[in-house]
Amino acid sequence: DADVTQTPRNRITKTGKRIMLECSQTKGHDRMYWYRQDPGLGLRLIYYSFDVKDINKGEISDGYSVSRQAQAKFSLSLESAIPNQTALYFCATSDSRTSNYGYTFGSGTRLTVV
Amino acid sequence: AQSVTQLGSHVSVSEGALVLLRCNYSSSVPPYLFWYVQYPNQGLQLLLKYTSAATLVKGINGFEAEFKKSETSFHLTKPSAHMSDAAEYFCAVSDGNAGNMLTFGGGTRLMVKP
Repeated sequence: DADVTQTPRNRITKTGKRIMLECSQTKGHDRMYWYRQDPGLGLRLIYYSFDVKDINKGEISDGYSVSRQAQAKFSLSLESAIPNQTALYFCATSDSRTSNYGYTFGSGTRLTVV
Repeated sequence: AQSVTQLGSHVSVSEGALVLLRCNYSSSVPPYLFWYVQYPNQGLQLLLKYTSAATLVKGINGFEAEFKKSETSFHLTKPSAHMSDAAEYFCAVSDGNAGNMLTFGGGTRLMVKP
């Protein structure tokens, strides 16, 4: 099993629909992140959580919300999806005790909003 | 705040040729630096990292990078490209003043010609 699992892997949804992307990890890491990837723009941070009770907005949080249900689970929601939210979404984790080790990434969720 | 610039969004080399992917960073504190690789339809994998030990860092698959403080650079090289190296590569910098969160460059897509 993967250390960081994202579901679904692919999703097509209609404009205006609510959608949730889920992320779970078995690394035991305390920190979790949501990024979106768009061609030519690299990875942009949407939200991050340093522990279950600590959730913070990233650079592009408008139109998104998150929930940290447990240390191992961090969900991203689009309350009312719009076409420019079509992107590849990645969840990542890190351990504050070994923070210079970088992040562990999930395999991504490809979201298409039509 | 830290930032990362990757020169060249697309780089094309012939199989067997030298690979050079450029990364320049800015950081107000001594940085941790990372290179990640993303193969098609996959998440990001850590290729190598610099964490203030040796300035020449060796990673997986024959890649290496050299930290040059005077040039604020962390370029990625491989002496001889292989077809399997075709992927997107991301440089990232970690800011010790911000909980060691990573800031990513825009990515460089490496194409390898037979």
